Amino acid sequence: DAGITQSPRYKITETGRQVTLMCHQTWSHSYMFWYRQDLGHGLRLIYYSAAADITDKGEVPDGYVVSRSKTENFPLTLESATRSQTSVYFCASSDNQIPGYEQYFGPGTRLTVT
Amino acid sequence: AQSVSQHNHHVILSEAASLELGCNYSYGGTVNLFWYVQYPGQHLQLLLKYFSGDPLVKGIKGFEAEFIKSKFSFNLRKPSVQWSDTAEYFCAVNAPGTGFQKLVFGTGTRLLVSP
Repeated sequence: DAGITQSPRYKITETGRQVTLMCHQTWSHSYMFWYRQDLGHGLRLIYYSAAADITDKGEVPDGYVVSRSKTENFPLTLESATRSQTSVYFCASSDNQIPGYEQYFGPGTRLTVT
Repeated sequence: AQSVSQHNHHVILSEAASLELGCNYSYGGTVNLFWYVQYPGQHLQLLLKYFSGDPLVKGIKGFEAEFIKSKFSFNLRKPSVQWSDTAEYFCAVNAPGTGFQKLVFGTGTRLLVSP
């Protein structure tokens, strides 16, 4: 039972580069989410998806792009990375069948933009 | 818009001390409430959740939380903490306004338990 996985786990990139963070879940959950975690801010929602080909902005979407061509994958792309995007990124999934709609989180990707 | 407040940003306790972490939310309607824990270097794990029924919810590792609707609160408690409880704790809420799908998180409370 792999659950929810993220890759890479650690990434260092330069300002201006494009970088894609991958998220894969094996539960066939309909909902998937991307958060960033920064000291003093907790977790903030970047984008979420209700199903394949359905995505919507969260609290902090600027500078990010998502896609969801398959239910199990939800990649997050930083089109032109900036230092302010240095953060830990968590992917999560959920489903209407789960009581309370709790979310299950992946292990995170620590991204450093130099 | 919904918001979640965690008033204690850092808490330091000795082993065997009792713990209470505060959480208040702003939404007035039906809500689901969660406490997640993040151990150092790890991902978020669910400690407990309230979505219906008994407002006193018991979770894993001896944690419990009480939903008090009149106070918009969902405080986390543990009668006797252990060194292994050192972690960051996040309160979160979802509500019908978000379709119950989106979680709003508090800023977290860092707990350090000294042996």
